[in-house]
Amino acid sequence: EVQLVESGGGLIQPGGSLRLSCAASGFTVSSNYMSWVRQAPGKGLEWVSVIYSGGSTYYADSVKGRFTISRDNSKNTLYLQMNSLRAEDTAVYYCARAVAANWFDPWGQGTLVTVSS
Amino acid sequence: SYVLTQPPSVSVAPGQTARITCGGNNIGSKSVHWYQQKPGQAPVLVVYDDSDRPSGIPERFSGSNSGNTATLTISRVEAGDEADYYCQVWDSSSVVFGGGTKLTVL
Repeated sequence: EVQLVESGGGLIQPGGSLRLSCAASGFTVSSNYMSWVRQAPGKGLEWVSVIYSGGSTYYADSVKGRFTISRDNSKNTLYLQMNSLRAEDTAVYYCARAVAANWFDPWGQGTLVTVSS
Repeated sequence: SYVLTQPPSVSVAPGQTARITCGGNNIGSKSVHWYQQKPGQAPVLVVYDDSDRPSGIPERFSGSNSGNTATLTISRVEAGDEADYYCQVWDSSSVVFGGGTKLTVL
C-alpha cells in the first residue's frame, strides 16, 4: 500500500526551528517528485516546497530562505527543516507525492505546527 | 505569479448536478487536478489531467478544461459529497492551488 506518514509537528515559539518528517511506504521517495503543502486553520491549501527526483528544490516565496526540503534515500523519508518560524507559519503540514510530476497522490495525514509564544 | 480563482461556495440539492469552476489565464493549456477535502481529513484526488478519474472515485465526478476555465462536475450529488474542493496546476517549477470551494448539499 502506498502511504505517507508525517511527524514532528508541535508548539514552537516565534523564531524557533522545527523539522518535519514524512515516512513513505509502498514506493521510493527518491524516484518521485515530493512536496509539502500546508493549510492554516480555516484556510485553503498553500504549496510550500517541492524536491524533484533529480534533487532540484523549489520553494514558495513565503518560505524561501527559511525552509529547506530534503530527503534521506536510505530511510525513504522526506523532510522539511523550518527555521525562523513565524506566527503565520501555523498550519497543518501535509507531504504528498506528485504522480507523473503532476497531481498529488497520496497525501499524508498531516502534522500540526503551531507557532506561538 | 499564476492565480486560480474558485467561487467560495456552491450549493446544490441532492440528486442535482454541481459545477465548480476554476479560472486562470489560458488554463486550458495546463493540466488541472481536483481534490476533495472533508473536515479534519487530508485532501483526496478526485480528478487528474483535466478529466481522468483515479480508481475508486465514482463516475459521478468528471472534469473539463478549456480556454480560461476548468470545471469539476459532480452528477447526482449525494450528502457525502459535501466538502471543500480545490483545483491545482503547475506553473513553471511551482504549484498553484485555487482558493477552494465549499460544496453544500441542501
